Amino acid sequence: GQQVMQIPQYQHVQEGEDFTTYCNSSTTLSNIQWYKQRPGGHPVFLIQLVKSGEVKKQKRLTFQFGEAKKNSSLHITATQTTDVGTYFCASGRFSGAGSYQLTFGKGTKLSVIP
Amino acid sequence: KAGVTQTPRYLIKTRGQQVTLSCSPISGHRSVSWYQQTPGQGLQFLFEYFSETQRNKGNFPGRFSGRQFSNSRSEMNVSTLELGDSALYLCASSLVGDPSYEQYFGPGTRLTVT
Repeated sequence: GQQVMQIPQYQHVQEGEDFTTYCNSSTTLSNIQWYKQRPGGHPVFLIQLVKSGEVKKQKRLTFQFGEAKKNSSLHITATQTTDVGTYFCASGRFSGAGSYQLTFGKGTKLSVIP
Repeated sequence: KAGVTQTPRYLIKTRGQQVTLSCSPISGHRSVSWYQQTPGQGLQFLFEYFSETQRNKGNFPGRFSGRQFSNSRSEMNVSTLELGDSALYLCASSLVGDPSYEQYFGPGTRLTVT
């Protein structure tokens, strides 16, 4: 499958500081999705990136897909306590039967110190 | 629209027993996937069902099985439970034809094997 490595595993930031998590693959990815899981919660879809070099923004969140489609990043500007949680990247691909399968990175757990 | 529901939310079982978990997808979603989440291995794909057919299966032993009913509700079964099966089991539904391939996760079933 398409393995994705995610770094860092943990990140502690002061409220107001920026935060970035990186997702890397040794193979070219068809697409990349990002999910957020709050403590005690379940993963919630944030975005999907498909095109080489794609950049998408959602308020304070900026998502990038590398030119070679082997890496992606999620950047949060001026973190807030509501940003606390674990951020996962996931590569998606179709199986021969038409099933869409996600392979998740291990996630980056973000703590925000108020 | 109601979200994905999973029952039960918590379960404690003894080694050697079997367990059945249930998932009701969002209305209109016919694809249901199951994931196992553990601190060590992260989120791992178990299997995916569509129209009562298993289309894809992850790298798990045969003790893990599932099925889907005509109303798209799905169940997964784990037989001969082992301590290592303790995990959060998440199901996710998706809308076939959605270009974002967004997975909508349920709250999960927390299984503890003693």
